Formats: sequence, C-alpha cells, structure tokens
Amino acid sequence: DIQMTQSPASLSASLGETVTIECLASEDIYDILAWYQQKPGKSPQLLIYDASSLHTGVPSRFSGSGSGTQYSLKINSLQPEDFASYYCQNGLSAPLTFGSGTKLEIK
Amino acid sequence: QVNLLQSGAALVKPGASVKLSCKASGYTFTDYYIHWVKQSHGKSLEWIGYINPNSGYTNYNEKFKSKATLTVDKSTNTAYMELSRLTSEDSATYYCTRSTTYYFDYWGQGVMVTVSS
Repeated sequence: DIQMTQSPASLSASLGETVTIECLASEDIYDILAWYQQKPGKSPQLLIYDASSLHTGVPSRFSGSGSGTQYSLKINSLQPEDFASYYCQNGLSAPLTFGSGTKLEIK
Repeated sequence: QVNLLQSGAALVKPGASVKLSCKASGYTFTDYYIHWVKQSHGKSLEWIGYINPNSGYTNYNEKFKSKATLTVDKSTNTAYMELSRLTSEDSATYYCTRSTTYYFDYWGQGVMVTVSS
C-alpha cells in the first residue's frame, strides 16, 4: 500500500496569511493526487486533483504543486471559511489512501 | 444538481450486521463508480472499496474484504454497503462518494454507525 505522510498535523494561522501543507508519498505517484477540505460535521470537499488542477468552483487562492513523491497545498490570503481540516489522497493504485490530515486553526 | 443521500444513523449491537444506503440523483447513476469511505471519530479517512453500478464489479480494500459488501440497485439509483459481524472498531461515520477516476467530486452527507450493546 502507498503510505501518505502529511504535515503538519495542525497549524495555526491568521486571516490573510499564506500557509502550505505537505504530503509525502511512500513511492512515486506520478501526480495522481487529490486534496480535500473537511469542516466539522461535514463531508470532505474536493479542492485539487491531478496534483495541481483546481476543481470547479474552488477559489483561486488554493493551489497544488509537486511531483514524484512530494506534494503541497498552498492557501493564499486565508479567509474565515478556510479554517478546516485538509487531506491528501493517493489515486495511483488501490487501496486508495489518505494522509492523516492537517487541522488549520485560527491564531 | 448532483446529490448522494445516505440513510440515517444506526445503532447496532455487537455481532450484528447493518446495511447502509446511498441514493443518487441529478446525474446518470451508471456513469460513475460509487465508493465508500470510513472515518472514525476525529481520525482520517479510509477507503473501503468501490462498485461499478453498470457492471456490478467491485474492488475492495483488503482490510475491509471480509467486513463490507457493496451492491447496487440500478432501478432505484441506490448503492448499498452491508457491514457484518460488527465490533466497536466499526463505530464510525461512513460516506458514499462518486468518481470516474480516482478522485471524489461529490459526497453523501455521511452516516454515523454506533456499535453498542
């Protein structure tokens, strides 16, 4: 199974700041990676697929990058609605696996 | 609009089984795979497996092969997941979600399963 190591586990930031969340795959996943946002009590929502493609309707302050085994999600100019948990997901091979999550909190 | 409507919360006894439903609307049911994802309280997400509603083909995470059974009813655009021989480890929120490839663009609202005597 491909392991997804996500960091940091938690992050405190202020409104307007820029933050980056990292995801390290245990092997090359050839950009077959998605990012999701989840708010408390809600379902995950797709943000990014194919490592850097923005899903329909997702604000442009979200961006994804990376290649090989290292990927990142960047959020520019944090808005109140961005404080949530974020997960990366490997899609290269079954079983599909998720990172352990990053909880983004307001400082 | 696309909607995946899941059945309500379930309280089940240890050793019993439960069958969860996921009714799709707003798109052609057979055009997308239906996946199921487990989220234990406060934890990350685990992929259980998927079913192709068109063919009935299933692919399970090895970890859940003896736990979950995925089926569909094309006549009602509904997907089902049956969980068997329930233990406290199965207490979690379960989501259905859809895909054409590997990423999930729409999710059900989730259903909480509590295993308790």
